[in-house]
Amino acid sequence: GAGVSQSPSNKVTEKGKDVELRCDPISGHTALYWYRQRLGQGLEFLIYFQGNSAPDKSGLPSDRFSAERTGESVSTLTIQRTQQEDSAVYLCASSWDLAVLSYEQYFGPGTRLTVT
Amino acid sequence: AQTVTQSQPEMSVQEAETVTLSCTYDTSESDYYLFWYKQPPSRQMILVIRQEAYKQQNATENRFSVNFQKAAKSFSLKISDSQLGDAAMYFCAAGAGSYQLTFGKGTKLSVIP
Repeated sequence: GAGVSQSPSNKVTEKGKDVELRCDPISGHTALYWYRQRLGQGLEFLIYFQGNSAPDKSGLPSDRFSAERTGESVSTLTIQRTQQEDSAVYLCASSWDLAVLSYEQYFGPGTRLTVT
Repeated sequence: AQTVTQSQPEMSVQEAETVTLSCTYDTSESDYYLFWYKQPPSRQMILVIRQEAYKQQNATENRFSVNFQKAAKSFSLKISDSQLGDAAMYFCAAGAGSYQLTFGKGTKLSVIP
């Protein structure tokens, strides 16, 4: 079956422009997560969705970042007025349900964002 | 909240030999899980092995096993009979509560033919 997919695979944008990153989770997975991975670093948790609800947005780095999810399917992460420090790989993961202790998170291949 | 530390930025191992990757963590939770993820150049994170903190027995998955020392808050990964396909970044992660994983900075493993 299909895994988690993300698009675009790579995105180069100019400083100040807005970008939209897309994540298609595995069908039936109710939980969806976004992470950021800067060069040479581990993954930094950004936000999670249970269905289309995101109860905790405190992991988003600034108010330039926002995310939404349509039902239990596609999610988009939007970065407004991009800055060079936003350059990173953005990874999406999904799982059957929220409980990290019980359900494995399946990751997508990520979107590499480069802000010039 | 958890913290995860991987003190080895890079490691190398001869093909067919055994290598151990180190990880230490800190958490105030009594119930938590620990994970090792592999990230090949394709960027896709793959779960290698997971350990439930309340279980004393070390988890094993084929050539991969962990040495879980709860009192020392240590969670190392041993890869036996290393193969070329094992070359990747390896991330240690801790999870407690409902949803959030905290990752270390990773160890880059090279396998020498």
